[in-house]
Amino acid sequence: QKEVEQDPGPLSVPEGAIVSLNCTYSNSAFQYFMWYRQYSRKGPELLMYTYSSGNKEDGRFTAQVDKSSKYISLFIRDSQPSDSATYLCAMRRVKAAGNKLTFGGGTRVLVKP
Amino acid sequence: DAMVIQNPRYQVTQFGKPVTLSCSQTLNHNVMYWYQQKSSQAPKLLFHYYDKDFNNEADTPDNFQSRRPNTSFCFLDIRSPGLGDAAMYLCATSRDRGLEADTQYFGPGTRLTVL
Repeated sequence: QKEVEQDPGPLSVPEGAIVSLNCTYSNSAFQYFMWYRQYSRKGPELLMYTYSSGNKEDGRFTAQVDKSSKYISLFIRDSQPSDSATYLCAMRRVKAAGNKLTFGGGTRVLVKP
Repeated sequence: DAMVIQNPRYQVTQFGKPVTLSCSQTLNHNVMYWYQQKSSQAPKLLFHYYDKDFNNEADTPDNFQSRRPNTSFCFLDIRSPGLGDAAMYLCATSRDRGLEADTQYFGPGTRLTVL
């Protein structure tokens, strides 16, 4: 069993809809949680970074962490075709050696005009 | 204002012919990482440098080596590329090791094709 599970998709939504993404994990030591966006043939770009449980909002993006359920989510409101990309969740322990991240496999999102 | 730069963006090599990929950063970060990412998969960490201290992942093949001559530059050497080494290679940096509020910033990647 992988430490971090993420549905590969594709997740197809119409423009303007809310995109809902999530990851589950098994290691309770994870304390820092990130979402990266990766366009085709490009490097991952950091979108959201949260510590421990709670919500964080940045523009159209909201990240939620539920440590009791070992479940994290990313919501994208008013989705645009430019949001079409693969979204990777990543997480790490406090004082992880080398700040090592554990990634989910990514969810491919398609926003249709 | 590029922060993590990778060259070349696309590299074609022949089976068994050594190849070197380059990464540079303008962030003055202490830690630099190399990842391998195959199609539709998560990035896989190969190794990282904390300053000049090299840290290899246990499952990284000996075929992969790295050099970091100074803070700004890091190189990935593939001594004898095989067909299975065709992938996107990602360089990333982070400010320091063990800092609580720190994460990794990625370059655009180099796509390696092995013929």
